[in-house]
Amino acid sequence: SQKIEQNSEALNIQEGKTATLTCNYTNYSPAYLQWYRQDPGRGPVFLLLIRENEKEKRKERLKVTFDTTLKQSLFHITASQPADSATYLCALDTGGGNKLTFGTGTQLKVEL
Amino acid sequence: DAGITQSPRYKITETGRQVTLMCHQTWSHSYMFWYRQDLGHGLRLIYYSAAADITDKGEVPDGYVVSRSKTENFPLTLESATRSQTSVYFCASSASGYTDTQYFGPGTRLTVL
Repeated sequence: SQKIEQNSEALNIQEGKTATLTCNYTNYSPAYLQWYRQDPGRGPVFLLLIRENEKEKRKERLKVTFDTTLKQSLFHITASQPADSATYLCALDTGGGNKLTFGTGTQLKVEL
Repeated sequence: DAGITQSPRYKITETGRQVTLMCHQTWSHSYMFWYRQDLGHGLRLIYYSAAADITDKGEVPDGYVVSRSKTENFPLTLESATRSQTSVYFCASSASGYTDTQYFGPGTRLTVL
């Protein structure tokens, strides 16, 4: 069956450390993958898009990798801050560029 | 810079009633989407629209109706609400489809009693 898996357990890290979130998928061949941030009571906010021919993408303190062999994307936040605390969602192209399917998200808590 | 707005933000209704959730965007984006978000399921696409008067079903369309007579508006109607439609509903828009950034509204929390 087709699945998108994000760790359902919250990730707790100390301020200043690098947070690494994982998005695994099975039985999909996405042409691209997106990452979103969602704060409680708000809609998701787009962060990054990475295409299948891109191994890595960066934006300020954010870095995303996309390994189509492992069927995995890693999302890194370097020098994490309490303000980075939120739920992070990955979303895959699951329809040849015409369908986006979201994972259930991982909650990140950055502690002082 | 109004962006994308949804109304109402909160709604309580009873089983069998018709409910319409409104979505309005000020960017003239071609694409608009309706999602529902439930614990354990993540965001699931209900309907989407590629342009005015063009709509198509998503993953969970049963029990919902949409229309798009104007580019900026994309209302979602629950024709006869059921308890299983209790959820948080998000509207989103993008300039050129799924590969483009989707901008989400603040959501409508709907409770069906």
